[in-house]
Amino acid sequence: DTGVSQDPRHKITKRGQNVTFRCDPISEHNRLYWYRQTLGQGPEFLTYFQNEAQLEKSRLLSDRFSAERPKGSFSTLEIQRTEQGDSAMYLCASSSNTRTGGNTEAFFGQGTRLTVV
Amino acid sequence: AQSVAQPEDQVNVAEGNPLTVKCTYSVSGNPYLFWYVQYPNRGLQFLLKYITGDNLVKGSYGFEAEFNKSQTSFHLKKPSALVSDSALYFCAVRDGKIYNQGGKLIFGQGTELSVKP
Repeated sequence: DTGVSQDPRHKITKRGQNVTFRCDPISEHNRLYWYRQTLGQGPEFLTYFQNEAQLEKSRLLSDRFSAERPKGSFSTLEIQRTEQGDSAMYLCASSSNTRTGGNTEAFFGQGTRLTVV
Repeated sequence: AQSVAQPEDQVNVAEGNPLTVKCTYSVSGNPYLFWYVQYPNRGLQFLLKYITGDNLVKGSYGFEAEFNKSQTSFHLKKPSALVSDSALYFCAVRDGKIYNQGGKLIFGQGTELSVKP
């Protein structure tokens, strides 16, 4: 498989529970992004990694959210003490960058749909 | 601040007719512009991008987009629409002025394209 893979595809959780999502990027891509998409809206940037370093976090990423990319390959996004407002599609994307060419386009996974009840 | 606007929530086109999905942008430096398509319950698929060069960019599935710097627009077009083109289309921008900017995308709200037989 040469695409971005996300697991699980769907997650239903009770308010207050913790959830963790996984993203496996395209293997040669050094950049990995997390976005959140709510119904009727475009994806909103949450955070991104270059290799294992988390280089930017959006203000949308409250302290209940944490993301890791420990070996510069797959990434996890954890939400603690989930709230109903966290219900959304969480999208992962990856890309590669070159010093001369800048960043290539991002390739997206199919997303993890979170429903908090 | 960077922003993208898609002024139409929905575009309705008859099969075989040309289609246009509008996008305008605002960035501080040179824009890197993208179009993505999203089918129901799926992630985003890359269609095309403008980095530099010719203002008319050709992409996947017969789509093309025209970059207009003076009007800060990047409208998506297709000469002859297909029913299978019905989907949600997103315009996105990345500020390309600094190589190591990060590559995060700012998305518009999306335009629902409906192509009727």
